[in-house]
Order: sequence, then C-alpha cells, then structure tokens
Amino acid sequence: EPEVTQTPSHQVTQMGQEVILRCVPISNHLYFYWYRQILGQKVEFLVSFYNNEISEKSEIFDDQFSVERPDGSNFTLKIRSTKLEDSAMYFCASSDDRGSDTQYFGPGTRLTVL
Amino acid sequence: DQQVKQNSPSLSVQEGRISILNCDYTNSMFDYFLWYKKYPAEGPTFLISISSIKDKNEDGRFTVFLNKSAKHLSLHIVPSQPGDSAVYFCAAIVSNFGNEKLTFGTGTRLTIIP
Repeated sequence: EPEVTQTPSHQVTQMGQEVILRCVPISNHLYFYWYRQILGQKVEFLVSFYNNEISEKSEIFDDQFSVERPDGSNFTLKIRSTKLEDSAMYFCASSDDRGSDTQYFGPGTRLTVL
Repeated sequence: DQQVKQNSPSLSVQEGRISILNCDYTNSMFDYFLWYKKYPAEGPTFLISISSIKDKNEDGRFTVFLNKSAKHLSLHIVPSQPGDSAVYFCAAIVSNFGNEKLTFGTGTRLTIIP
C-alpha cells in the first residue's frame, strides 16, 4: 500500500542552525501539507502546497519557514534559523485530487533543537 | 481558539466491550470530519471519515456518528481489541475538494484492558 515517507526520523540541531526535513508524498497525490506536534500538545497545521505554490499557511509558518517541491517526488520543509520552541514532531501529509479530503500522514521527523 | 475539542484525555475499556470516543466542534463551517489513530513514534493513521450530509458511517468495527445540531461526533469501536490501544484524534475540515487544513482535537488516549 502506498505511503508517505519522511527523513530523517530524528534530527538534532543547534539553535540558529538551518534544517531541512524531507518528505516523499504518495506518488499520485497533488496536495501536500506540513503539520507539527509539540510534545503534549495537539497536531497543528503549518502549511499546504499545491501546484508548486503555498495555498495556505498558519501563523506559525513565519519567514523562518519555507517549503519546496524540488523535483517530482520530494517535498521539503526548511527552517532557516531554528529556535528552541521549534522542537517538535513534524508530519508531512498528502491527499489526492479526486475530491477526497482524506490526508495521509508520514511517520514524522522528531526535531530537537538544543 | 479550540475549534475541535476532545474533552476526555484518556479512556480505559475492557477488551470485547464498546469504546466510545467523543468530539465536539464549534465552527459550523466544518463539513467533513475524520478520525485518526496514532501510536507512539508514528504518524496519524486515517481510520474513518464522515461528511456533514450523513449522520453515520460504518467500516468494520468502526462507526462514526455525527450530530450536526449538537456539533458533536463520536467514534464507536466494537468489539474493542488490545491493538486498538492508541491515541485517537478527531479532525475537521472546511471542504473545498482538496488543499484544506485539518484542524485537530487534542486527542484521547484509549487503553484496552485485556
């Protein structure tokens, strides 16, 4: 069964460093998303992406964040200068273009900012 | 602003009995609802969904009920099995045929007692 994959599973970085989290969405999907879950809190929407541009972003998704689909398979989230409060699980999700609203999630990347 | 609420942070149910997980929402624009299950260190896994034009959707042991007037939905699992022990998230969307953000509840940790 097709699935969303994410790498790395765990990323440790120093505050102020740049990180890139990678996702490979399900191959025939056209809508892509990033969510995050800070420990003990709910899953929060960050950004949605379609047709090579951002469709919607939350207030969390400030100028330090960017997303890119560099090729036909990868979808990346870049945090330019990480802060301690960026430590969280980051989930990528994708959905298809058949009018289904079901989003399928990857296993997540645990980001730890020291 | 908690638009989707799961007021029970945890629930314990005997194996073989019915598990009922509840979710309330405040945004009347939500028209599609989903339940996700999450194991530790994994991403949310889609379980079942329901459109606002329905009041019930069933898939095997899982049934979701929607009461639009009360802005309430529930997930019934019967019979409950040990493998059902996980955190369950209710999520909602304002549907626009793709590319919409999921708004999640805070989750309910279900423990099935053998």
